[in-house]
Amino acid sequence: AQSVTQLGSHVSVSEGALVLLRCNYSSSVPPYLFWYVQYPNQGLQLLLKYTTGATLVKGINGFEAEFKKSETSFHLTKPSAHMSDAAEYFCAVSDQNKLVFGAGTILRVKS
Amino acid sequence: DTGVSQDPRHKITKRGQNVTFRCDPISEHNRLYWYRQTLGQGPEFLTYFQNEAQLEKSRLLSDRFSAERPKGSFSTLEIQRTEQGDSAMYLCASSKDRISYEQYFGPGTRLTVT
Repeated sequence: AQSVTQLGSHVSVSEGALVLLRCNYSSSVPPYLFWYVQYPNQGLQLLLKYTTGATLVKGINGFEAEFKKSETSFHLTKPSAHMSDAAEYFCAVSDQNKLVFGAGTILRVKS
Repeated sequence: DTGVSQDPRHKITKRGQNVTFRCDPISEHNRLYWYRQTLGQGPEFLTYFQNEAQLEKSRLLSDRFSAERPKGSFSTLEIQRTEQGDSAMYLCASSKDRISYEQYFGPGTRLTVT
């Protein structure tokens, strides 16, 4: 079965600093990979996805992620953090007809 | 298109009572999913529908849980004889007809069983 590991349940960065949220996956087939963001008491919003093709994927709000098959990774980055980026971020991998999510990483942005 | 909607947003119930949640997906989406999210965890898959057919159920979905999607439109998730362990956020999502298509999530229904 597919699985996702997100390294670091909490990440803290200063406003304007680089954001790096780590995601490693396990999949027996070529994966489809997703990053979602969740604000308090809200549902999940899709940031970006990788299906096939270019391994560097750009998403909304300046986020991007790179699919590295050799490392089984799909880390999320943003060059400059903004206060509004403070939220919980989930990495997910497709597993037949559903998504398997990691445990999430809470991003804190310090002013 | 107003996105995926869920009702109610919050539900407090006493142990042993039955509860029912509703999800209205994005209109042109054939697939509808239910997930459960507990504090500090990512969403966990419960079940999914392709149109009106329920095609997969997780082992998390005990006999006390039942889901329907009549006519392939809205869906309901019922929990019978609620237990404190059922307290969680119940998320609904919908997508077009392939796993590669992104799933759009509703705001969730937060269930508290006292």
